[in-house]
Amino acid sequence: KNQVEQSPQSLIILEGKNCTLQCNYTVSPFSNLRWYKQDTGRGPVSLTIMTFSENTKSNGRYTATLDADTKQSSLHITASQLSDSASYICVVTVYNNNDMRFGAGTRLTVKP
Amino acid sequence: ETGVTQTPRHLVMGMTNKKSLKCEQHLGHNAMYWYKQSAKKPLELMFVYSLEERVENNSVPSRFSPECPNSSHLFLHLHTLQPEDSALYLCASSQDSGGNNSPLHFGNGTRLTVT
Repeated sequence: KNQVEQSPQSLIILEGKNCTLQCNYTVSPFSNLRWYKQDTGRGPVSLTIMTFSENTKSNGRYTATLDADTKQSSLHITASQLSDSASYICVVTVYNNNDMRFGAGTRLTVKP
Repeated sequence: ETGVTQTPRHLVMGMTNKKSLKCEQHLGHNAMYWYKQSAKKPLELMFVYSLEERVENNSVPSRFSPECPNSSHLFLHLHTLQPEDSALYLCASSQDSGGNNSPLHFGNGTRLTVT
Protein backbone atom coordinates (compact mmCIF):
# COMPACT_ATOMS: atom_id res chain seq x y z
CA LYS A 1 0.00 0.00 0.00
CA ASN A 2 1.32 3.41 -1.00
CA GLN A 3 2.28 5.67 1.88
CA VAL A 4 0.53 8.59 0.19
CA GLU A 5 -3.04 8.08 -1.00
CA GLN A 6 -4.95 10.69 -2.97
CA SER A 7 -8.63 10.99 -3.65
CA PRO A 8 -10.55 11.20 -5.79
CA GLN A 9 -8.59 9.65 -8.63
CA SER A 10 -10.34 11.99 -11.04
CA LEU A 11 -12.78 14.86 -10.79
CA ILE A 12 -14.81 16.92 -13.25
CA ILE A 13 -16.22 20.31 -12.24
CA LEU A 14 -17.76 23.31 -13.97
CA GLU A 15 -15.79 26.48 -14.43
CA GLY A 16 -16.25 28.86 -11.51
CA LYS A 17 -16.96 26.12 -8.98
CA ASN A 18 -14.79 25.25 -5.99
CA CYS A 19 -13.29 21.84 -5.30
CA THR A 20 -11.21 20.06 -2.70
CA LEU A 21 -8.65 17.34 -3.29
CA GLN A 22 -7.55 14.99 -0.53
CA CYS A 23 -4.23 13.49 0.47
CA ASN A 24 -3.87 10.92 3.27
CA TYR A 25 -0.42 9.76 4.25
CA THR A 26 1.22 7.33 6.64
CA VAL A 27 4.73 8.77 6.41
CA SER A 28 5.98 9.45 9.91
CA PRO A 29 7.82 11.45 10.91
CA PHE A 30 7.82 13.82 7.99
CA SER A 31 9.49 17.14 7.36
CA ASN A 32 7.21 18.70 4.76
CA LEU A 33 4.28 18.13 2.43
CA ARG A 34 4.06 19.64 -1.04
CA TRP A 35 1.37 19.90 -3.64
CA TYR A 36 2.45 19.89 -7.29
CA LYS A 37 0.41 20.76 -10.38
CA GLN A 38 1.13 18.85 -13.57
CA ASP A 39 -0.39 20.17 -16.79
CA THR A 40 -0.86 17.73 -19.64
CA GLY A 41 2.41 17.21 -21.48
CA ARG A 42 4.40 19.10 -18.85
CA GLY A 43 6.39 18.30 -15.75
CA PRO A 44 5.01 18.90 -12.24
CA VAL A 45 5.36 22.39 -10.75
CA SER A 46 5.38 23.08 -7.00
CA LEU A 47 2.28 24.90 -5.75
CA THR A 48 2.64 24.90 -1.96
CA ILE A 49 4.86 23.55 0.77
CA MET A 50 3.95 23.07 4.42
CA THR A 51 6.18 21.90 7.24
CA PHE A 52 4.81 19.69 9.98
CA SER A 53 4.14 22.76 12.14
CA GLU A 54 2.05 24.62 9.54
CA ASN A 55 -1.61 23.95 8.94
CA THR A 56 -2.43 26.15 5.97
CA LYS A 57 -0.69 27.75 3.01
CA SER A 58 -2.18 29.73 0.14
CA ASN A 59 -1.01 30.42 -3.39
CA GLY A 60 -3.56 32.57 -5.17
CA ARG A 61 -6.75 30.55 -5.60
CA TYR A 62 -5.05 27.45 -4.20
CA THR A 63 -5.18 26.80 -0.45
CA ALA A 64 -3.54 23.78 1.12
CA THR A 65 -4.32 22.58 4.62
CA LEU A 66 -2.51 20.09 6.79
CA ASP A 67 -3.64 18.13 9.84
CA ALA A 68 -0.57 16.35 11.17
CA ASP A 69 -2.61 14.57 13.84
CA THR A 70 -4.87 12.81 11.36
CA LYS A 71 -2.18 12.75 8.65
CA GLN A 72 -4.40 14.44 6.12
CA SER A 73 -3.90 17.31 3.71
CA SER A 74 -6.29 18.95 1.32
CA LEU A 75 -5.92 21.28 -1.63
CA HIS A 76 -8.84 23.65 -2.11
CA ILE A 77 -9.27 25.42 -5.43
CA THR A 78 -11.53 28.47 -5.44
CA ALA A 79 -13.43 29.80 -8.45
CA SER A 80 -11.94 27.24 -10.80
CA GLN A 81 -10.70 28.18 -14.26
CA LEU A 82 -10.19 26.09 -17.38
CA SER A 83 -6.44 26.38 -16.82
CA ASP A 84 -6.81 24.50 -13.53
CA SER A 85 -7.35 21.31 -15.53
CA ALA A 86 -4.33 19.24 -14.58
CA SER A 87 -3.12 16.48 -12.29
CA TYR A 88 -2.41 17.45 -8.70
CA ILE A 89 0.20 15.44 -6.87
CA CYS A 90 0.79 15.26 -3.13
CA VAL A 91 4.38 14.61 -2.01
CA VAL A 92 5.54 13.93 1.54
CA THR A 93 9.22 14.17 2.49
CA VAL A 94 10.45 11.69 5.08
CA TYR A 95 12.11 13.34 8.06
CA ASN A 96 15.90 13.15 8.19
CA ASN A 97 16.60 11.20 5.00
CA ASN A 98 14.83 13.42 2.45
CA ASP A 99 13.15 10.53 0.68
CA MET A 100 10.03 11.74 -1.07
CA ARG A 101 6.83 9.72 -1.19
CA PHE A 102 4.53 10.55 -4.09
CA GLY A 103 0.80 10.14 -4.38
CA ALA A 104 -0.65 8.88 -7.67
CA GLY A 105 -2.35 12.22 -8.22
CA THR A 106 -5.88 13.51 -8.82
CA ARG A 107 -6.81 14.33 -12.40
CA LEU A 108 -8.98 17.49 -12.39
CA THR A 109 -10.97 18.55 -15.44
CA VAL A 110 -12.67 21.94 -15.45
CA LYS A 111 -15.39 22.27 -18.06
CA PRO A 112 -16.93 25.49 -19.42
CA GLU B 1 9.44 28.40 -19.16
CA THR B 2 11.03 25.51 -17.34
CA GLY B 3 14.69 25.80 -16.36
CA VAL B 4 15.03 22.07 -16.99
CA THR B 5 15.10 20.96 -20.63
CA GLN B 6 14.59 17.39 -21.78
CA THR B 7 15.12 15.93 -25.23
CA PRO B 8 13.63 14.29 -27.11
CA ARG B 9 10.00 14.98 -26.15
CA HIS B 10 8.86 11.73 -27.75
CA LEU B 11 10.75 8.54 -28.52
CA VAL B 12 9.64 5.29 -30.09
CA MET B 13 12.14 2.46 -30.01
CA GLY B 14 12.28 -1.24 -30.61
CA MET B 15 13.39 -3.65 -27.93
CA THR B 16 16.80 -4.13 -29.58
CA ASN B 17 17.56 -0.44 -30.02
CA LYS B 18 19.93 1.74 -28.02
CA LYS B 19 18.91 5.31 -27.33
CA SER B 20 19.67 8.08 -24.85
CA LEU B 21 17.55 10.66 -23.08
CA LYS B 22 19.10 14.02 -22.34
CA CYS B 23 18.41 16.51 -19.57
CA GLU B 24 19.94 19.94 -19.03
CA GLN B 25 19.27 22.32 -16.15
CA HIS B 26 19.95 26.04 -16.22
CA LEU B 27 19.23 26.74 -12.56
CA GLY B 28 22.64 26.22 -11.00
CA HIS B 29 21.33 23.29 -8.95
CA ASN B 30 23.57 20.63 -7.48
CA ALA B 31 21.23 17.62 -7.58
CA MET B 32 19.56 15.94 -10.56
CA TYR B 33 17.07 13.10 -10.72
CA TRP B 34 15.45 10.65 -13.11
CA TYR B 35 11.84 9.64 -12.44
CA LYS B 36 9.54 7.22 -14.24
CA GLN B 37 5.86 8.18 -14.47
CA SER B 38 3.34 5.54 -15.51
CA ALA B 39 -0.37 6.16 -15.87
CA LYS B 40 -2.27 6.32 -12.58
CA LYS B 41 0.84 5.41 -10.57
CA PRO B 42 3.05 7.51 -8.29
CA LEU B 43 6.30 8.81 -9.67
CA GLU B 44 9.08 6.26 -9.24
CA LEU B 45 12.54 7.54 -8.39
CA MET B 46 15.18 5.91 -10.56
CA PHE B 47 18.44 7.75 -9.94
CA VAL B 48 19.76 10.67 -7.92
CA TYR B 49 22.97 12.54 -8.55
CA SER B 50 24.41 15.10 -6.16
CA LEU B 51 27.42 17.10 -7.33
CA GLU B 52 27.82 14.59 -10.17
CA GLU B 53 28.05 11.61 -7.82
CA ARG B 54 25.30 9.00 -7.84
CA VAL B 55 23.77 8.88 -4.36
CA GLU B 56 20.80 6.63 -4.93
CA ASN B 57 19.81 3.83 -7.27
CA ASN B 58 16.47 2.27 -6.44
CA SER B 59 17.26 -1.17 -7.86
CA VAL B 60 16.61 -0.07 -11.41
CA PRO B 61 17.23 -2.73 -14.09
CA SER B 62 20.61 -2.52 -15.75
CA ARG B 63 19.00 -1.81 -19.11
CA PHE B 64 18.77 1.76 -17.78
CA SER B 65 22.17 3.40 -17.38
CA PRO B 66 22.54 6.98 -16.10
CA GLU B 67 25.40 9.35 -16.80
CA CYS B 68 26.08 12.71 -15.18
CA PRO B 69 29.12 14.37 -16.83
CA ASN B 70 28.63 17.65 -14.93
CA SER B 71 26.14 19.29 -12.61
CA SER B 72 24.11 20.71 -15.52
CA HIS B 73 23.69 17.61 -17.65
CA LEU B 74 22.14 14.23 -17.07
CA PHE B 75 21.65 11.35 -19.49
CA LEU B 76 19.69 8.13 -19.35
CA HIS B 77 21.04 5.48 -21.71
CA LEU B 78 18.55 2.84 -22.78
CA HIS B 79 19.18 -0.58 -24.28
CA THR B 80 17.17 -3.76 -24.80
CA LEU B 81 14.10 -2.27 -23.17
CA GLN B 82 10.82 -4.07 -22.60
CA PRO B 83 7.31 -2.89 -23.57
CA GLU B 84 6.52 -2.33 -19.87
CA ASP B 85 9.24 0.34 -19.83
CA SER B 86 6.96 2.55 -21.91
CA ALA B 87 6.26 5.61 -19.74
CA LEU B 88 6.97 9.29 -19.27
CA TYR B 89 10.54 9.82 -18.05
CA LEU B 90 10.96 12.99 -16.05
CA CYS B 91 14.18 14.71 -15.18
CA ALA B 92 14.29 17.03 -12.17
CA SER B 93 16.80 19.17 -10.35
CA SER B 94 16.96 20.73 -6.90
CA GLN B 95 19.32 23.03 -5.06
CA ASP B 96 20.76 20.01 -3.29
CA SER B 97 19.66 16.48 -2.50
CA GLY B 98 19.71 17.09 1.22
CA GLY B 99 17.62 20.24 1.37
CA ASN B 100 14.29 19.44 2.95
CA ASN B 101 12.62 22.62 1.73
CA SER B 102 14.18 22.65 -1.72
CA PRO B 103 11.52 21.95 -4.36
CA LEU B 104 12.05 19.74 -7.36
CA HIS B 105 12.10 21.52 -10.71
CA PHE B 106 10.93 19.15 -13.41
CA GLY B 107 11.47 19.08 -17.12
CA ASN B 108 8.56 18.33 -19.43
CA GLY B 109 9.58 14.73 -19.82
CA THR B 110 10.29 12.29 -22.62
CA ARG B 111 7.33 10.13 -23.64
CA LEU B 112 8.92 6.74 -24.39
CA THR B 113 7.16 3.97 -26.29
CA VAL B 114 8.86 0.59 -26.60
CA THR B 115 7.52 -1.58 -29.42
